[in-house]
Parts: sequence; structure tokens; C-alpha cells
Amino acid sequence: AQSVTQPDIHITVSEGASLELRCNYSYGATPYLFWYVQSPGQGLQLLLKYFSGDTLVQGIKGFEAEFKRSQSSFNLRKPSVHWSDAAEYFCAVVIVTMDSSYKLIFGSGTRLLVRP
Amino acid sequence: NAGVTQTPKFRILKIGQSMTLQCAQDMNHNYMYWYRQDPGMGLKLIYYSVGAGITDKGEVPNGYNVSRSTTEDFPLRLELAAPSQTSVYFCASSWTGNTEAFFGQGTRLTVV
Repeated sequence: AQSVTQPDIHITVSEGASLELRCNYSYGATPYLFWYVQSPGQGLQLLLKYFSGDTLVQGIKGFEAEFKRSQSSFNLRKPSVHWSDAAEYFCAVVIVTMDSSYKLIFGSGTRLLVRP
Repeated sequence: NAGVTQTPKFRILKIGQSMTLQCAQDMNHNYMYWYRQDPGMGLKLIYYSVGAGITDKGEVPNGYNVSRSTTEDFPLRLELAAPSQTSVYFCASSWTGNTEAFFGQGTRLTVV
């Protein structure tokens, strides 16, 4: 079955340190992949997306993600974390259904804590 | 622009009651979605719609119903509320389904 897995429930990093959040997907075709961020009590905001082409994509707030087909991964990275990056991060995949519609499926999320 | 608007923001229901969560978008998006978010579980897709008059089940549709009579509105109906439906509900919309989804602010529902 198609799915998205985020293996880390919580990650804690120090401010200024680098960050990598893991995402693995299970889907036969080339996926549409997304990373969203949710600040406390808020809805979700798109950070970046991958459809095709360059496997390294840049997003907002200094985030980037790399699509690796061989590893079925789409990990999110940031070279230097700021305290304001503390939030919950969701990886998502668009699945094409049998009737050619699109279904947006999310992973379970990773909560990022930032130490001063 | 209002984007995606959900009402109400909070609601407490008694077991067995019913209610409708409202969702409206003003971006003329074709796709609309309903998700529920439970701690540690991420967002689970309840129902989605690819356009007016067309809806389909997501991952966790049991206990819910939807309709899409207009492009703008996508209400979610809870019949016979149960404690297991205590959750935060998010509505979202997107232009073509494989483009950015825009989310509402959520509805926090408690069933007691």
C-alpha cells in the first residue's frame, strides 16, 4: 500500500546546528512529494515540493530537500536551525488513484525542538 | 484573500449528537480535502473531492459523510458522534490535486 513514513517522532537540535528530517515513501510511480510545516495551533504551510527534474529542491525559510529514488527518500535539511524553526514537520505524497484522481497522503510528522 | 475558512474553531459534542463542520474556499480550487489530526498520528485523510458533485473516501471515512454541491464549499458531517472522533479537523484545497494544498486553521472537536 502507498504510504509515507517519518521514522523520527521527535528531534532536538541546538540553535545554529544543522538539521535533517527523514521521510521515506512507498509508491510505485514517480511521486509528487511535499514538506509542510505546522506551527503550534496553526494550519499547515508548504515548505517545498518535488515533481520532477532536479532532485535537490529549495524551499522557503532556508530549507531544502533531496529526492533519492534508489532509497525512496525525500529528506528535509537546513544548514543552521533558528529557534523559530521549532514546529512539527510533515512529509506528504500525492498518489494517483485508479480513476486518475490525486490523493494527498501525509506521514505521521516529526516534532522539532530547538535548544537555545 | 480569505483562503480556506473553517467553522467553528472549537466544539464540544455529546455522544450520539451530530454536527456539520463547515469549510469554504475562495480560490476556485478543484480539489478539497478533510483530514483529522491526532497526536503522533499525523494527518489522516477522511474524504476528498475532485470537483463539485464528486467525492471519494480517504483513509478513515467511517462515521463521516461529505457533500460538494458547489466549488466553494465542502462540509463534513458527523452522525452519531463517538469519543473516537475527538480530534482536530483540517480542511484543505488545491488547484489540481498535485499542487500546493492550502489549509484552514482547524476545528478542535471534543466528544464527551
